[in-house]
Amino acid sequence: NAGVTQTPKFQVLKTGQSMTLQCAQDMNHEYMSWYRQDPGMGLRLIHYSVGAGITDQGEVPNGYNVSRSTTEDFPLRLLSAAPSQTSVYFCASRTTTGRPYEQYFGPGTRLTVT
Amino acid sequence: SQKIEQNSEALNIQEGKTATLTCNYTNYSPAYLQWYRQDPGRGPVFLLLIRENEKEKRKERLKVTFDTTLKQSLFHITASQPADSATYLCALDAGGSSASKIIFGSGTRLSIRP
Repeated sequence: NAGVTQTPKFQVLKTGQSMTLQCAQDMNHEYMSWYRQDPGMGLRLIHYSVGAGITDQGEVPNGYNVSRSTTEDFPLRLLSAAPSQTSVYFCASRTTTGRPYEQYFGPGTRLTVT
Repeated sequence: SQKIEQNSEALNIQEGKTATLTCNYTNYSPAYLQWYRQDPGRGPVFLLLIRENEKEKRKERLKVTFDTTLKQSLFHITASQPADSATYLCALDAGGSSASKIIFGSGTRLSIRP
């Protein structure tokens, strides 16, 4: 199993550009989520999904869109990048049945917006 | 407002001593609380989960306590080693169910000096 994979690993965007961060998992997990991590601020939840076709907002959803058309994939879209979106982005997945609901994280995407 | 606070941004202790990290939360009623370890440049890795009806959980040199009255969890590493140096994050479910979103604290950077 590859676990949770994210692409790209690094990305530089200009202000106003759009892009999609990819996330995939091969563990058949129902729940997937996106976090951003800034220095000294821990992980902040952007969006999450409890299954295909179902998404919801987290703590900091503005400027980001998500969709969940399959169990495996959960892409994050930046519609018009801003310097405030410079951050490290982590995707995570977990089961919602059985135990113990631990999240598995991808390796992260480091995004710089100039 | 809802908050998760890890009281120490950084903790520096001598090898062999017990490290104790604190996680406090307000205006949440979590069904469980989790602890993760994060090394530089990597995604967080799950360590332990403790449920609301459990007072204490152990795993090798790790011990977690959960006091729902104080709204606090303590994370202990006994016989600490330089290899334990990392950032430790606490997280909780924000809705009290298996499909609830997971919210993280800002983390404590632990350094173990030889």
